[in-house]
Amino acid sequence: GAVVSQHPSWVICKSGTSVKIECRSLDFQATTMFWYRQFPKQSLMLMATSNEGSKATYEQGVEKDKFLINHASLTLSTLTVTSAHPEDSSFYICSAPSGDYEQYFGPGTRLTVT
Amino acid sequence: GENVEQHPSTLSVQEGDSAVIKCTYSDSASNYFPWYKQELGKRPQLIIDIRSNVGEKKDQRIAVTLNKTAKHFSLHITETQPEDSAVYFCAARGAGTALIFGKGTTLSVSS
Repeated sequence: GAVVSQHPSWVICKSGTSVKIECRSLDFQATTMFWYRQFPKQSLMLMATSNEGSKATYEQGVEKDKFLINHASLTLSTLTVTSAHPEDSSFYICSAPSGDYEQYFGPGTRLTVT
Repeated sequence: GENVEQHPSTLSVQEGDSAVIKCTYSDSASNYFPWYKQELGKRPQLIIDIRSNVGEKKDQRIAVTLNKTAKHFSLHITETQPEDSAVYFCAARGAGTALIFGKGTTLSVSS
């Protein structure tokens, strides 16, 4: 099956700093990628849809100026958490569809803001 | 947009019993309904999926049923084993859209 990688797998940063998370489709091209956030003991919540060559589409309640998404190529999307605060600590997972049905998930990034 | 409801939130069964988890969705345009198992701190793992042109699909001890008219789908696990204990998520998506997840079910299988 298709492979999606994510980097870093975990990161600890200080409050007020920015963190960039990369999501790559390794063996297929993805014009669209999705970013999810998962708090402990909760479900995966869709944050935004990343579109290659155009602006991302954000879900209601997600601050686009805080969570910057750049889909620079057909295999790479990045999520930058700007001015991170402890409440941004979460598990961030990207995914990419391959075809009309299945979505392939990255391994996730555990962000801890101190 | 799509909304997926999942029940129950927790489910405890004895080893060998069957477990059923149910989900409903709101968007009639959704055409893909996967089920995932997730371990703590890891990505969701696809265990079975069903497309809208199929009513039922089975893979060994796991089966999924879909009722498009009622907009609900269910996961059935037979002969449960302790290693089936995990968090399970249902999800739904339409063409070109993202998967939307239910809130999850924590399944505990006791021996």
